[in-house]
Amino acid sequence: AQTVTQSQPEMSVQEAETVTLSCTYDTSENNYYLFWYKQPPSRQMILVIRQEAYKQQNATENRFSVNFQKAAKSFSLKISDSQLGDTAMYFCAFMTRNNNDMRFGAGTRLTVKP
Amino acid sequence: DAGVTQSPTHLIKTRGQHVTLRCSPISGHKSVSWYQQVLGQGPQFIFQYYEKEERGRGNFPDRFSARQFPNYSSELNVNALLLGDSALYLCASTILRANYEQYFGPGTRLTVT
Repeated sequence: AQTVTQSQPEMSVQEAETVTLSCTYDTSENNYYLFWYKQPPSRQMILVIRQEAYKQQNATENRFSVNFQKAAKSFSLKISDSQLGDTAMYFCAFMTRNNNDMRFGAGTRLTVKP
Repeated sequence: DAGVTQSPTHLIKTRGQHVTLRCSPISGHKSVSWYQQVLGQGPQFIFQYYEKEERGRGNFPDRFSARQFPNYSSELNVNALLLGDSALYLCASTILRANYEQYFGPGTRLTVT
């Protein structure tokens, strides 16, 4: 079974500082995708960043970057220069190449403090 | 361009009733997936439809059903509602069946009393 674990239910960070959210997953598949989604109080699930498992280079999107450790099945999200608008629930998600059954972790509630 | 839209935004139903939720994908997207997000948890996969056919089903009872129309919009139906069906129901669309870029709608908040 494919599972996604986020071990940090809540985190907080001061504005302009850096924070790292953790995610581990379990799968026997070799071809898959990993995602971080942001869900603000508005409920809209917004894609933050994605990583293809076959790519060794870590994905980056502006202030967001990941540390993908395939052997360790770890996929952490680093947010640099945190902004108040980054306050949200963050979900790590996993999907195999052959289907759209996306598996989500339980989420990490991030609060950016002024 | 319009994103994924869902209706209604909020819904209150009584135990035992039936509910229909609707989703319109992004123009050009042929695949729609449905997720249930219970308060405090991550979304759980219910169904995926591609080209009007069911292509994936999660671990949900037969009270849950869905369909996709020729214009690629979709309906999620839930019969004999239980209190535990109270959740945010999310719809996501993708261009292709096996495309990893999923775009989510704002969700429908269902409350069963």
